[in-house]
Amino acid sequence: LAKTTQPISMDSYEGQEVNITCSHNNIATNDYITWYQQFPSQGPRFIIQGYKTKVTNEVASLFIPADRKSSTLSLPRVSLSDTAVYYCLVGPLYGQNFVFGPGTRLSVLP
Amino acid sequence: DADVTQTPRNRITKTGKRIMLECSQTKGHDRMYWYRQDPGLGLRLIYYSFDVKDINKGEISDGYSVSRQAQAKFSLSLESAIPNQTALYFCATSDATVEEEKLFFGSGTQLSVL
Repeated sequence: LAKTTQPISMDSYEGQEVNITCSHNNIATNDYITWYQQFPSQGPRFIIQGYKTKVTNEVASLFIPADRKSSTLSLPRVSLSDTAVYYCLVGPLYGQNFVFGPGTRLSVLP
Repeated sequence: DADVTQTPRNRITKTGKRIMLECSQTKGHDRMYWYRQDPGLGLRLIYYSFDVKDINKGEISDGYSVSRQAQAKFSLSLESAIPNQTALYFCATSDATVEEEKLFFGSGTQLSVL
């Protein structure tokens, strides 16, 4: 499985757009990029998944450059409730034994 | 996710005791996982199962065992609990479609080994 690197922590203010970048230099051809969100004492929750270019859903966007060696999770107009840990995972569908790194701890300030 | 149920929610036990954590799901997913999380750290995979007859070790399986009793049930056992197994344990299931695969987590079991 491809190793990922994310910032340990980030701070933001309410209403701002937050971009969290994940590096995955040894991503394989059949690997997908997936992001999860975790609140304290809760299990992680799926946010978004993509393979290339841009994916958008109701809560976030995922930007993946052509070389796929990194990806950026974009959270538009964050609120205090977006304070959480965000994990970037890289691996294939159908047989991926999901491996979580330490994630990025996002703190949204008023 | 309310469709993935873990029992108990909290457990305190003593060193050397055998303990079982249970997980059941109503999602109909074939794949199930057990993770542990230590304070301030990410999740580490203990065991995973892609169907009833399939059991695989994760990165930290030593000291643990699992049983996949049915598609809906996946239990984690600590044969002889030790204090460094004190952690928050999560069960998860996954659903894979042609275009996407995502994990669904239970609410966790906080285990304390004294």
